[in-house]
Amino acid sequence: EAGVTQSPTHLIKTRGQQATLRCSPISGHTSVYWYQQALGLGLQFLLWYDEGEERNRGNFPPRFSGRQFPNYSSELNVNALELEDSALYLCASRPNLPGTEAFFGQGTRLTVV
Amino acid sequence: GNSVTQMEGPVTLSEEAFLTINCTYTATGYPSLFWYVQYPGEGLQLLLKATKADDKGSNKGFEATYRKETTSFHLEKGSVQVSDSAVYFCALSSNAGNNRKLIWGLGTSLAVNP
Repeated sequence: EAGVTQSPTHLIKTRGQQATLRCSPISGHTSVYWYQQALGLGLQFLLWYDEGEERNRGNFPPRFSGRQFPNYSSELNVNALELEDSALYLCASRPNLPGTEAFFGQGTRLTVV
Repeated sequence: GNSVTQMEGPVTLSEEAFLTINCTYTATGYPSLFWYVQYPGEGLQLLLKATKADDKGSNKGFEATYRKETTSFHLEKGSVQVSDSAVYFCALSSNAGNNRKLIWGLGTSLAVNP
């Protein structure tokens, strides 16, 4: 069974540009979570989608946005990139069942120069 | 609201030493509890979990027991190896209705020296 896949694995952008990160969940998982992990720091919750709707949002500015498609894959968009947006962006998926764990992708390393 | 408090790192141990990483939580009801591990350059992997009080999760020599009376889920391993060097995250998920948001601790970095 395929795991959570994220693309691209690495992305280099210049300040002010837009970045689009993609995530394909495990088949049958309806929830997708996005996290930002800056170097040496913990997980910062960005967004949670379930059944195509945004369920919760972390403390990030509106230039961080996303969506979930009917097949439950998801996109994270970051507009007007700033240098401090450089980080590892992790996606996780989870089935719609209580007590279940989340499964993570390998992440997209975004570098803003 | 729900929260997870995890001991700060970094933790540095010699090979074969005993490991404890403390994790306490605040939650209503009966959450599920998880430990994840992140090896350098990789995403997070589930290490173990427990879904009800007094459950013990175990994997790869690691153990953690869901203690509702002390609201704790401490991670232990009797004899660590160099290959256990990683960042460890404690997490919880409420099982109440549609509130299945994952709450994360800040992570504890472990370095094991030969």
